[in-house]
Amino acid sequence: GAGVSQTPSNKVTEKGKYVELRCDPISGHTALYWYRQSLGQGPEFLIYFQGTGAADDSGLPNDRFFAVRPEGSVSTLKIQRTERGDSAVYLCASSLAAGRSYEQYFGPGTRLTVT
Amino acid sequence: AQTVTQSQPEMSVQEAETVTLSCTYDTSESDYYLFWYKQPPSRQMILVIRQEAYKQQNATENRFSVNFQKAAKSFSLKISDSQLGDAAMYFCAYRSSPGGSQGNLIFGKGTKLSVKP
Repeated sequence: GAGVSQTPSNKVTEKGKYVELRCDPISGHTALYWYRQSLGQGPEFLIYFQGTGAADDSGLPNDRFFAVRPEGSVSTLKIQRTERGDSAVYLCASSLAAGRSYEQYFGPGTRLTVT
Repeated sequence: AQTVTQSQPEMSVQEAETVTLSCTYDTSESDYYLFWYKQPPSRQMILVIRQEAYKQQNATENRFSVNFQKAAKSFSLKISDSQLGDAAMYFCAYRSSPGGSQGNLIFGKGTKLSVKP
């Protein structure tokens, strides 16, 4: 079956602009995670959804970052007033449920470059 | 807070040889999961192997095995009979179990593995 997909694959934007990054999880997966991977670093947790609600957004760096998952499937990560420091690969993962024993399946990521 | 440390930024191995990647972690929890992920240039993270902390037996998946030392908080990955396709970034990750409902992963900085033909 289809894996986790993310669009766009690459996004270049100017400082101060607004961007949206989309994640399409595996069908039937209720848990969805966003991570950010800066150059030379491991992924860092941003936010996690269980169904439609954000169960934990403790990893969002500031209020310029926001994510939604209105129908419990596709999720969109929104970044306002982008800054050069936001440049990174944004990874999405989904799992059948949120428990620790459920494997997280990752998408290929969106590489965001803020100029 | 839990942390994961990978002290080897880069490693190299000859094709068909064995290599061991190191990982240490810090936690006050007694029950958790540990993972090794592979990230090729395509960026997609692929699960290589996982270990449940309450299991004393080291996990094995074909050519990949771990050496899990719970008291020492060490979790190394051994790759046997290395193949060119094993070349990638390898990340060690920790997943806690506070009631089992959250489960976000905490990653190390990664080790870049090169395989020489």
